This record gives sequence, structure tokens and C-alpha cells, in this order.
Amino acid sequence: KNEVEQSPQNLTAQEGEFITINCSYSVGISALHWLQQHPGGGIVSLFMLSSGKKKHGRLIATINIQEKHSSLHITASHPRDSAVYICAVLSGGSNYKLTFGKGTLLTVNP
Amino acid sequence: AAGVIQSPRHLIKEKRETATLKCYPIPRHDTVYWYQQGPGQDPQFLISFYEKMQSDKGSIPDRFSAQQFSDYHSELNMSSLELGDSALYFCASSLAQGDEQFFGPGTRLTVL
Repeated sequence: KNEVEQSPQNLTAQEGEFITINCSYSVGISALHWLQQHPGGGIVSLFMLSSGKKKHGRLIATINIQEKHSSLHITASHPRDSAVYICAVLSGGSNYKLTFGKGTLLTVNP
Repeated sequence: AAGVIQSPRHLIKEKRETATLKCYPIPRHDTVYWYQQGPGQDPQFLISFYEKMQSDKGSIPDRFSAQQFSDYHSELNMSSLELGDSALYFCASSLAQGDEQFFGPGTRLTVL
């Protein structure tokens, strides 16, 4: 079982829809990253959070440390949001490497 | 704002050759991380440096070595290249260990 599980693996939506991507992890963490990767490879950091909720534009990320679960929400989705969204956790202690989920491929159709 | 710079962006090598990948972190970031992403795979941690010292090591083959220099840039040296080394190699930097990591555009290495 992977330490970081994402669902769904693939998601297709119509422009304007509300999107939710989920991430569950099985290890203790100090923080969780949500990353965006476009075709061609570049990775962009969207959020890093260790508690509560963060919002940036149409993106909202929440985390529940007790339940070891995080969600990424996209409001009013747009075709340019089409990308792979990756959840990655920082285990903490003296270990600062990221452990990645398998990613969720989001396709937003016009 | 300045971002993480990686060079080269693309590299094609033959089997058994060597390759050197470079990473220039965001100014004032003293921590650098290297990740390898194989085709269709999620990124895997290779190695990290903090203040020019190796701080953590992941699934990095013995054929690979890396270091961080006095100006905080880092180089990943890969020798005796194998077909399986073909991947996207990302460098990330953070202001300090445990802080948010910012990724470079990656170097796509193809081994023929």
C-alpha cells in the first residue's frame, strides 16, 4: 500500500464545474504539498499546509491531520486547469524529502 | 520573481556515458532536493543538501553522485548511464529544511 493515496486517478469535468481531489496518507507528517504538473513536465507548488485551510484564487486546500486526509478544490474550473495534480507529504523529524502520490489527471472540457 | 533554474533542459546520452545536471536554487534558499520521475511514474527522491552538506539520501544509485557548492548551486553527476536512467530530473529548493519546496522546470534525460 502506498504511503500517499490519491483519488480519483482520472477526472473529467465540464468548464465551470466544482472539482475535488482527495489525498489520504498513512504516515505521520509535518506538512502536505499540493503540486500541479502540466504536460511537458514542469511542477508548480500550489500549496503547502500543515493544518486547516488555504485559499489562492479559485483553489482551496484543506487538511485534517487527525483523519490523515487532504482535499484540493477547484471552483469554476477552466480548461487551463487541465493538468496532473499531485499530493506530496513531508514526513517531518529530520526527514525533509517529499513522498508523492500517483497524481490525479484532470481534464476540463470547454 | 526568480525561480529554480536547471540546465540543461534536455540531454541525450548514449549508454555508459556520463551526464552532469545543474541546479541553481532560488536566491537565499540553502536547501536543494533532487527527484527522479520515470515515464508515467511519480517523482522519487534522490538526495538533498542543506548548507552544502548532504542532508538526506533516497533511492540514488551508486553510479550517481551530487554535491552543493559554495554558491548553493548543486550538480548531479551520473556515470555509466543505463537505459533505465531515462527520466525527468527535478531539482527543488527551499528557504530552509522543511519549508515549502519550489521546483525547477526539470531536465529531461534520454539514454539511447
